[in-house]
Amino acid sequence: EAGVAQSPRYKIIEKRQSVAFWCNPISGHATLYWYQQILGQGPKLLIQFQNNGVVDDSQLPKDRFSAERLKGVDSTLKIQPAKLEDSAVYLCASRAEGEQYFGPGTRLTVT
Amino acid sequence: AQSVTQLDSQVPVFEEAPVELRCNYSSSVSVYLFWYVQYPNQGLQLLLKYLSGSTLVKGINGFEAEFNKSQTSFHLRKPSVHISDTAEYFCAVSEGAAGNKLTFGGGTRVLVKP
Repeated sequence: EAGVAQSPRYKIIEKRQSVAFWCNPISGHATLYWYQQILGQGPKLLIQFQNNGVVDDSQLPKDRFSAERLKGVDSTLKIQPAKLEDSAVYLCASRAEGEQYFGPGTRLTVT
Repeated sequence: AQSVTQLDSQVPVFEEAPVELRCNYSSSVSVYLFWYVQYPNQGLQLLLKYLSGSTLVKGINGFEAEFNKSQTSFHLRKPSVHISDTAEYFCAVSEGAAGNKLTFGGGTRVLVKP
């Protein structure tokens, strides 16, 4: 069974630029999450989808972050405009049978 | 609101020695607890989980953890570590349904020395 796929793996941008991350969850997993992991910290939930609907986006900085999951499968997370403090690893996960499965993450560096 | 505290940010340990990583949680709802491992430049991999039943949970790679409700703890142990166990370990609690909306601790970095 293929795992959660994410791309790109690494991205370097300048502040005020925009960036997008892509996630393809494990086939058949209805629930998808995006987490932000700042260096030296544990992951923090940004947004949760159930199929193509948002369940919880209370921790998403909506003035600059947006996410969608149009067909209930792949998802994209966008930051526009980026700030220095957005430098982090962005992890995507999907859930089944009481467990979350994580992708390898996208490491974003904002200069 | 739920929270997780990992009491040690770094744990150096010699190869073949035992290790214990401490985790305390607070939650006002049903408790589901998890330990994940993160190797450099990789995502998180589940080591073990407590959903219900026996308070002693066995996971992959020889790890085990014990759920203690009275002390609100879920400490992770391994009797004999290998160099390959060098990684960061995260304790997490989920809210509501098992495995949903994970809240993570700050992580414990384990460095295994030869």
